[in-house]
Amino acid sequence: EDQVTQSPEALRLQEGESSSLNCSYTVSGLRGLFWYRQDPGKGPEFLFTLYSAGEEKEKERLKATLTKKESFLHITAPKPEDSATYLCAVQAWGGSNYKLTFGKGTLLTVNP
Amino acid sequence: NAGVTQTPKFRVLKTGQSMTLLCAQDMNHEYMYWYRQDPGMGLRLIHYSVGEGTTAKGEVPDGYNVSRLKKQNFLLGLESAAPSQTSVYFCASSYPPPSYNEQFFGPGTRLTVL
Repeated sequence: EDQVTQSPEALRLQEGESSSLNCSYTVSGLRGLFWYRQDPGKGPEFLFTLYSAGEEKEKERLKATLTKKESFLHITAPKPEDSATYLCAVQAWGGSNYKLTFGKGTLLTVNP
Repeated sequence: NAGVTQTPKFRVLKTGQSMTLLCAQDMNHEYMYWYRQDPGMGLRLIHYSVGEGTTAKGEVPDGYNVSRLKKQNFLLGLESAAPSQTSVYFCASSYPPPSYNEQFFGPGTRLTVL
């Protein structure tokens, strides 16, 4: 069974204080690892897809990296508007390759 | 483009009542999904569809039914609502593999069953 564990559950940063969120996963064969951002009362918003170990993707202050067992979402010099819940999900190869298995998320708060 | 839209945004039901949640997408996506999100549980797949006229069970299908009569619409039905179905429901859509198949989500429906 595919599993995704995100840590920490909550993270509070000061504006400009860089940090990383972790997503550990077990999957039979990884087709893709997805990062989403979710604001309160809204649906998840797609950020990145990573397909193979060693891959990195960047968007503004966010950088996602992938190894064979985990992914990191690095946040450089965060701003208050980066406050949100960040969700990680995996998709496996095989007959059920439609399915995303989500972690419980990391609630990020950036204080001004 | 509106993307993925959901109707209604909020709903309160009494135990035993029925209702249908509507999801519509204008991105010509083949795949559509219904998830529920509960505190401490993460998003869980209820049902999904890989094309018009097809549906399949996901991780937590009991108590729900779905229909995909048109490619752009995916309906989620609760025949006899129970308090355990109090949740936030999200619809999503995507292109099929091997395309880039990130899923795009709607704004959600917050359902309370009393």
